[in-house]
Amino acid sequence: AQSVTQLDSHVSVSEGTPVLLRCNYSSSYSPSLFWYVQHPNKGLQLLLKYTSAATLVKGINGFEAEFKKSETSFHLTKPSAHMSDAAEYFCVVSPSDYKLSFGAGTTVTVRA
Amino acid sequence: NAGVTQTPKFQVLKTGQSMTLQCAQDMNHEYMSWYRQDPGMGLRLIHYSVGAGITDQGEVPNGYNVSRSTTEDFPLRLLSAAPSQTSVYFCASSQTSSMNTEAFFGQGTRLTVV
Repeated sequence: AQSVTQLDSHVSVSEGTPVLLRCNYSSSYSPSLFWYVQHPNKGLQLLLKYTSAATLVKGINGFEAEFKKSETSFHLTKPSAHMSDAAEYFCVVSPSDYKLSFGAGTTVTVRA
Repeated sequence: NAGVTQTPKFQVLKTGQSMTLQCAQDMNHEYMSWYRQDPGMGLRLIHYSVGAGITDQGEVPNGYNVSRSTTEDFPLRLLSAAPSQTSVYFCASSQTSSMNTEAFFGQGTRLTVV
């Protein structure tokens, strides 16, 4: 069985400061891991994915995530937040049967 | 390229009514799925399909039916709507050639059952 825990339901940052969104996972298999972003009243968009090629994954809009197997973590970071980063972020694990398991989501607020 | 298209975007139903949420994709993806999104719970899998003629239940299938007669379409039917089915529904599609494949999502259908 697989599960995903997003450790923060809400993160508030000032524009220009770093963003850290924390995700821990459990999986019986060697999983694929994803981060998706959902802007208000929109669908979900892929930010980045881990596919075992490299532990540090770069995504769109300056986001990156680091896979740490020993800690079963896949935290998402961005060095400098922008107002347009205000959204809900989902950590997602995909085991070998293609089904996606979603974390509960982290809402990011960016203060001017 | 339209991607994944869901209709309608908004719907209000009375308890006991039935309706079909439509989902179509034009990427020739084999795998399609339906999720519901509720506050604080992320997205939960309702039903999925790995190809035309093949469907299976996800995590929360009760009260919903699906069929997959073509590769492109994957409608979700609510048989007798209940207030507990008030939610935002997302359809997704992906290739099944690899578990690393990206899922593409529709814009969502916001359903309210009164």
